[in-house]
Amino acid sequence: DAGVIQSPRHEVTEMGQEVTLRCKPISGHDYLFWYRQTMMRGLELLIYFNNNVPIDDSGMPEDRFSAKMPNASFSTLKIQPSEPRDSAVYFCASSFSDTYNEQFFGPGTRLTVL
Amino acid sequence: KNEVEQSPQNLTAQEGEFITINCSYSVGISALHWLQQHPGGGIVSLFMLSSGKKKHGRLIATINIQEKHSSLHITASHPRDSAVYICAVRAGMNRDDKIIFGKGTRLHILP
Repeated sequence: DAGVIQSPRHEVTEMGQEVTLRCKPISGHDYLFWYRQTMMRGLELLIYFNNNVPIDDSGMPEDRFSAKMPNASFSTLKIQPSEPRDSAVYFCASSFSDTYNEQFFGPGTRLTVL
Repeated sequence: KNEVEQSPQNLTAQEGEFITINCSYSVGISALHWLQQHPGGGIVSLFMLSSGKKKHGRLIATINIQEKHSSLHITASHPRDSAVYICAVRAGMNRDDKIIFGKGTRLHILP
């Protein structure tokens, strides 16, 4: 398996634009997590899905953020409109059967909002 | 106060030194996870613990549930161990309980 795949790897956009981040989890994994990492706040869990259903979105910072998982092999994290404070590295991770079985992380998307 | 605290925040040591990174938490947990984030940004799972001690190569992780404390040790440290080490806990006993992260310990091993 190729591991967790994220795209794009880098995104630079202007304030106010819509940003869509994509993730393909490891095949067979039924949990998918979106994280954000910044220097100030470290790693934060934004939302996670089990069997394509959002379970806990309490980490999503505000209504500008939304996440979907239309099927077991694809998820998106959308920011609309984007703001400079959204600049961060966004990681996607997946695991099998439990939130706390070993999570496999993707390489991350580095987002810069100018 | 953060529910998961790591110490030290930054650590610089000479190659070969024995390294200890600490993680203390204030909530009841069912499992604790040590992660390593390389300078390039990639994150790798090192250990998952619910009790006792685990060893993998030069890395050893221990946990004391009563004291709500875990340590990650690196023996014979090497410059390639330079990374950020992150502690994360599952707060509870259920599959969907919250995961809480520490802010990480930045380790730099000098040759």
